[in-house]
Amino acid sequence: LAKTTQPISMDSYEGQEVNITCSHNNIATNDYITWYQQFPSQGPRFIIQGYKTKVTNEVASLFIPADRKSSTLSLPRVSLSDTAVYYCLVDGNTDKLIFGTGTRLQVFP
Amino acid sequence: ETGVTQSPTHLIKTRGQQVTLRCSSQSGHNTVSWYQQALGQGPQFIFQYYREEENGRGNFPPRFSGLQFPNYSSELNVNALELDDSALYLCASSLVVGRSEQFFGPGTRLTVL
Repeated sequence: LAKTTQPISMDSYEGQEVNITCSHNNIATNDYITWYQQFPSQGPRFIIQGYKTKVTNEVASLFIPADRKSSTLSLPRVSLSDTAVYYCLVDGNTDKLIFGTGTRLQVFP
Repeated sequence: ETGVTQSPTHLIKTRGQQVTLRCSSQSGHNTVSWYQQALGQGPQFIFQYYREEENGRGNFPPRFSGLQFPNYSSELNVNALELDDSALYLCASSLVVGRSEQFFGPGTRLTVL
């Protein structure tokens, strides 16, 4: 399974757009890119999944360039409640998930 | 529709003891996976059950074992507890086996003294 690299932490202010980039240089042809969000003392929550180009849902957007060696999770107009750890996963759409250490996003008022 | 539930919320055990953690999957989900999350780390896959059979296992020793029942609820058993077993244990269920959209429970915080 491809290994992912993401920033350990990021800070933002309420109302700003936050972009978290994930590197996955060894991504395989059948790998999907999936992002999860985790609040303290809770289980992770699925945010978004994509294979290529751009995917958007009510929570976030996921941008994937043509070479698929990286991806960017975009959170529009963050609020304090978006403070959490965000995990980037790359897998063959398997349910045996492999998490890294994630990116801790802190949103300030 | 109820979400994934886990019990107990917190548990304190001593080294060498045995523990059983329980999980009720989301309604209609027949696949249950267990994860261990140490402090400051991402969750690590322990094993998965699909229709009462083990369907994949991560890099965990045999003293970690599990069961899935006909109603798709599940148990995680850990024997001969070690200090390093202290962690948040997460259960996740999915509607279709093989899909990476997992629905996680709130976890059980296990402390081994």
